[in-house]
Amino acid sequence: AQSVTQLGSHVSVSEGALVLLRCNYSSSVPPYLFWYVQYPNQGLQLLLKYTTGATLVKGINGFEAEFKKSETSFHLTKPSAHMSDAAEYFCAVSDPRDSNYQLIWGAGTKLIIKP
Amino acid sequence: NAGVTQTPKFRVLKTGQSMTLLCAQDMNHEYMYWYRQDPGMGLRLIHYSVGEGTTAKGEVPDGYNVSRLKKQNFLLGLESAAPSQTSVYFCASNTGTGYFQPQHFGDGTRLSIL
Repeated sequence: AQSVTQLGSHVSVSEGALVLLRCNYSSSVPPYLFWYVQYPNQGLQLLLKYTTGATLVKGINGFEAEFKKSETSFHLTKPSAHMSDAAEYFCAVSDPRDSNYQLIWGAGTKLIIKP
Repeated sequence: NAGVTQTPKFRVLKTGQSMTLLCAQDMNHEYMYWYRQDPGMGLRLIHYSVGEGTTAKGEVPDGYNVSRLKKQNFLLGLESAAPSQTSVYFCASNTGTGYFQPQHFGDGTRLSIL
């Protein structure tokens, strides 16, 4: 069965520093990949997604992610963190073998921004 | 645009009480999902629907029932609430037209069972 691993339940970075949130999936079939962001007391919003084509995907708020098939990874990055980036981030995959379009979710990484 | 609307936003129940959570979407989406979110566990799928009149079990269906009588609405019921069902519940919808389509989420219902 497909699974998604997000390394680190909490990641702390200083304002202006590089943000790197890790996501690895387990599948022999390349999935469709998503990153969502959840601000406190809100629902989840789509940050970016990878379907096919260019492996470097740009999303909202300056975030981007790179699909690396050989490493089964889809890590999320942002060059310079802002206080407003403090939120929880979820990686999810959609398995092309599942006709119900279910998403398999990582456990989430809470991003903490230090002033 | 309203998108996905969940009601109520907060609720406190006593053990054994019943209640229904309502999810409404105005995007004409075919697929709808109910999740629960607990600390450190990400999102777990409770039930889902692939169209009006259909429902199916997800990963953690026990203690919950659902109905999708109208395409735009997806109801989640707790027949006899238990403290283990204290959680944040999210509804999501999807066009159902491809694996690359994202899910759209409501703002959640925060439910406490005493």
